[in-house]
Amino acid sequence: QVQLQESGPALVGPSETLSLTCTVSGVSTRSRNYFWSWVRQPPGKGLEWIGNIAYSGNTFYSPSLRSRLDISLDTWKNQFSLNLISVTAADTAVYFCAANQPLESFPVWGRGTVVTVSS
Amino acid sequence: SFALTQPLSVSVALGQTARISCGGDYFGIKDVHWYQQKPNQAPVVVIFRGTNRPSEIPERFAGSTSGSTATLTITSAQGDDEADYYCHVWDSGTSVFGTGTKVTVL
Repeated sequence: QVQLQESGPALVGPSETLSLTCTVSGVSTRSRNYFWSWVRQPPGKGLEWIGNIAYSGNTFYSPSLRSRLDISLDTWKNQFSLNLISVTAADTAVYFCAANQPLESFPVWGRGTVVTVSS
Repeated sequence: SFALTQPLSVSVALGQTARISCGGDYFGIKDVHWYQQKPNQAPVVVIFRGTNRPSEIPERFAGSTSGSTATLTITSAQGDDEADYYCHVWDSGTSVFGTGTKVTVL
């Protein structure tokens, strides 16, 4: 059974970098069967896909976040990570990591972690 | 990128049928997925690839598509179905979620 767990700071200052990690259990991040995604949800708003990374290291990013975003994979630690630079209050959200087979639904989600951008 | 539009809210009487639409400038919306999200929880897949239901999801959930509009139908709605629902598609390697619909069971 694939399980995901997000971790990282709950508070980030404006203009700083938001860094989160998702630890994967139950499957190797080297698996060709899975892509690894980040999704966020601002308070009281809908879901927004941020981007994903494949076992090969290839990434796909949301056009609206591409200029500030980096998603990386650490197969030795069985983790993948999100770095979002130059954050503002608009980046305050619950951040979820999720897993899926290529172009399929997201059957596996982490519980989500709340990140607030504030000084 | 494109947008998927859903009604902001849908109300349904207990035991009646709710229909949630998902549409936009997306041609061939056949591979749409649907999620249910309850407060402070991660989303759960209720329909995948347009019409398929995971084994753990009740039969009262059904998906359909017609042209550029996808529909999630909840037949004989129950109190436990009160939640937010999102449609979701993939387009050229990127993912788009619908705007979300709050379903209230009266």
